[in-house]
Amino acid sequence: NAGVTQTPKFQVLKTGQSMTLQCAQDMNHEYMSWYRQDPGMGLRLIHYSVGAGITDQGEVPNGYNVSRSTTEDFPLRLLSAAPSQTSVYFCASRQASSYNEQFFGPGTRLTVL
Amino acid sequence: QQQVKQSPQSLIVQKGGISIINCAYENTAFDYFPWYQQFPGKGPALLIAIRPDVSEKKEGRFTISFNKSAKQFSLHIMDSQPGDSATYFCAASMADSWGKLQFGAGTQVVVTP
Repeated sequence: NAGVTQTPKFQVLKTGQSMTLQCAQDMNHEYMSWYRQDPGMGLRLIHYSVGAGITDQGEVPNGYNVSRSTTEDFPLRLLSAAPSQTSVYFCASRQASSYNEQFFGPGTRLTVL
Repeated sequence: QQQVKQSPQSLIVQKGGISIINCAYENTAFDYFPWYQQFPGKGPALLIAIRPDVSEKKEGRFTISFNKSAKQFSLHIMDSQPGDSATYFCAASMADSWGKLQFGAGTQVVVTP
């Protein structure tokens, strides 16, 4: 199993550009989520999904959109990038139970100029 | 406002020493407390986790101590090794919120030879 995969690994955008961060998992996990990691702030939840067709907002959802058309994929869209969105983004997945281990992808480092 | 407060921000320990990281929370509905370990350029990975029905959990050199009345929990790394040099995050979640994880700010641990 590849686990949780993310593409791209690095990305540089100009302010106002849009892009999609890709996330896929091959473990048939129901729950998937996106976090951003900033120095001194830990990981903050952006959006999450509890199954195909079901998504909800996390702690810091503004400026980001998600959709979940399949169990495997959970892309994160930046509609109009801003410098404040410069961060490292992690996708994660786990089985349905809240007490199950959450598996993280390798991350995407995004810089917005 | 972070729901889980983690300290210290960083610590340096000699090989063979004990590393101690502390976390505190306010929400008494939290019922799952994992610790994640992150190496540079990688995603976080589950290290050890505890539920509030026990006061201590040990896995190898890593021990979680949990104090429900004080709403605090800590990670002890015994016989610290240079390979333990990483960033450690505590987290908390509650089952009735789809198990969304609230992370502490992280502690960078450096183990000197």
